[in-house]
Amino acid sequence: GAVVSQHPSRVICKSGTSVKIECRSLDFQATTMFWYRQFPKQSLMLMATSNEGSKATYEQGVEKDKFLINHASLTLSTLTVTSAHPEDSSFYICSARDWAEIYNEQFFGPGTRLTVL
Amino acid sequence: SQQGEEDPQALSIQEGENATMNCSYKTSINNLQWYRQNSGRGLVHLILIRSNEREKHSGRLRVTLDTSKKSSSLLITASRAADTASYFCATDANRYTGANSKLTFGKGITLSVRP
Repeated sequence: GAVVSQHPSRVICKSGTSVKIECRSLDFQATTMFWYRQFPKQSLMLMATSNEGSKATYEQGVEKDKFLINHASLTLSTLTVTSAHPEDSSFYICSARDWAEIYNEQFFGPGTRLTVL
Repeated sequence: SQQGEEDPQALSIQEGENATMNCSYKTSINNLQWYRQNSGRGLVHLILIRSNEREKHSGRLRVTLDTSKKSSSLLITASRAADTASYFCATDANRYTGANSKLTFGKGITLSVRP
């Protein structure tokens, strides 16, 4: 089956630093990747849609300068949380959609837990 | 904004019993999907049902879709302790198509299966 990896799985950083999270599709080409944020015991909130070779589309209320997304290849998208603050602490999950998939089935990574001190 | 609303929010059953979870949504959809999430983990895709389908089965899972009521149900038969997880419905609204299509997740249901 389609596998998506995320790295790192867990990161702790100091306030003011930037953190990069990688999302890779391991056995398929992903023209589109999605970045979600999840607070404890809550649902997934879509942050942005990342299409290979083009600028990401951000959801309303998500700061594009705060959450930088790069989708440079068909197997890799990165999310950089810039100047992180404690309120950015959350569980970040990416997903990827196979270019051949017409029913929008998304394959999810295992998530990255970010803690900002 | 969230489109799907699951109920109940939490469900606790005995191993061997069936678990039924419901999801309601607001706008017209292309398809509806159910996902499972174990604590602190990513999501696992369970089943996708298209808007022109009414019922679908996969192993111990049975999903129904009623587009007139804008609702779906997920039935897990003969539940096991390993089914303990959070379950989410996600809708693919048909106002978003092709490269713009995206999923909107409900709040989730916490299922506990007691051994």
